[in-house]
Amino acid sequence: EVQLVEFGGGLVQPGGSLRLSCTVSGFNFREYDMNWVRQAPGKGPEWVSYIRSSGNTIYYADSVKGRFTISRDNAKNSLYLQMSSLRAEDTAVYYCARGWFPNYFDFWGQGTLVTVSS
Amino acid sequence: DIQLTQSPSFLSASVGDRVTITCRASQGINSYLAWYQQKPGKVPKLLIYAASTLQNGVPSRFSGSGSGTEFTLTISSLQPEDFATYYCQQVYGYPLYTFGPGTKVDLK
Repeated sequence: EVQLVEFGGGLVQPGGSLRLSCTVSGFNFREYDMNWVRQAPGKGPEWVSYIRSSGNTIYYADSVKGRFTISRDNAKNSLYLQMSSLRAEDTAVYYCARGWFPNYFDFWGQGTLVTVSS
Repeated sequence: DIQLTQSPSFLSASVGDRVTITCRASQGINSYLAWYQQKPGKVPKLLIYAASTLQNGVPSRFSGSGSGTEFTLTISSLQPEDFATYYCQQVYGYPLYTFGPGTKVDLK
């Protein structure tokens, strides 16, 4: 069974940092591209970042470029999102999502809530 | 940047109705479009990819069509479990994986 589990969310002050992790099981992680997607309260999903299976290609949404860093450890079946200079508008549930054919999001984790507030 | 619009934003329907949702792209995206269903408090679920291919396990009452800039999601006979919000998503151009604003399907 494919499973993706995010953790690391929480309450952080504006300007602060947070590192999210996503641990996967049930598929060969090193063969799949991965993504972070977020969803602010009452809003639709917003793609945040993409990383190729090998880790050698990375993309970011303009809204997070220069502040967020995606990475992965294929040996640990883990995906990461380092978030810095956080703003109130970054408040959202953050999901990791598997990319498939070519990058449709066929499996999602349950999400972890990030709240940026003083 | 490729923008996606959806119409309608809100749709009120009854069980058994045929429902059609439209997604328009600001420029051609070939067939690089997906549809997702999201129920309150749940994770988005991939229904259709490549504009018209049904994801494994999705009931055949769901169908997708279109290419270029105009796409439709059709539910042939709405079931109680289909009341949800539906999002289209393009995987063609930059910003790479844009979602549409969503269409909420509610009970009339």
